[in-house]
Amino acid sequence: KAGVTQTPRYLIKTRGQQVTLSCSPISGHRSVSWYQQTPGQGLQFLFEYFSETQRNKGNFPGRFSGRQFSNSRSEMNVSTLELGDSALYLCASSPGHPSGANVLTFGAGSRLTVL
Amino acid sequence: AQSVTQLGSHVSVSEGALVLLRCNYSSSVPPYLFWYVQYPNQGLQLLLKYTSAATLVKGINGFEAEFKKSETSFHLTKPSAHMSDAAEYFCAVSLPSGSARQLTFGSGTQLTVLP
Repeated sequence: KAGVTQTPRYLIKTRGQQVTLSCSPISGHRSVSWYQQTPGQGLQFLFEYFSETQRNKGNFPGRFSGRQFSNSRSEMNVSTLELGDSALYLCASSPGHPSGANVLTFGAGSRLTVL
Repeated sequence: AQSVTQLGSHVSVSEGALVLLRCNYSSSVPPYLFWYVQYPNQGLQLLLKYTSAATLVKGINGFEAEFKKSETSFHLTKPSAHMSDAAEYFCAVSLPSGSARQLTFGSGTQLTVLP
């Protein structure tokens, strides 16, 4: 069973540009969550998508957005990049049951460097 | 809102010694608790989870954790450390349902295993 696949693994952008990151969940998983990991702030929740709808959202500015497609694949977009957006962006998938312990399975992450 | 505190950002143990990584949580309702491990340049891997069943939870790679409600703790232990255990460990909490179902992570503990 294939795991969570994130692309690209590494990318470098300059301030003001935008970036799109992609995540393919485990087959059959309907929920995709995104987390930002930085040395200073640690792991912070960005948003969760379930059946193409954003179900939860963390405390991030509107420059951070996402979407989910009918095949459960998800993308996140960051516009007008700032130096502070440099981070490891982790995607995680889960079955997405409305209650109970949905165990998240994480991808290897996309490491974004903003110059 | 729920939160997690991991005591000790860095822990060093000798190979063969006991590993003890501390995690305390705060939650308004009985939470779900998780331990994840992260190796360099990789995503997060689930070690074990507590979901209100047995309070002593056994995970992969010989790790276990005990849920102590009176102490609001969920410390991770392993009787004998191996060199391969060197990694960063994250404790996380989530609630059973509602808008706070996403994981809230602690700040992480870097485990070093000395030969």
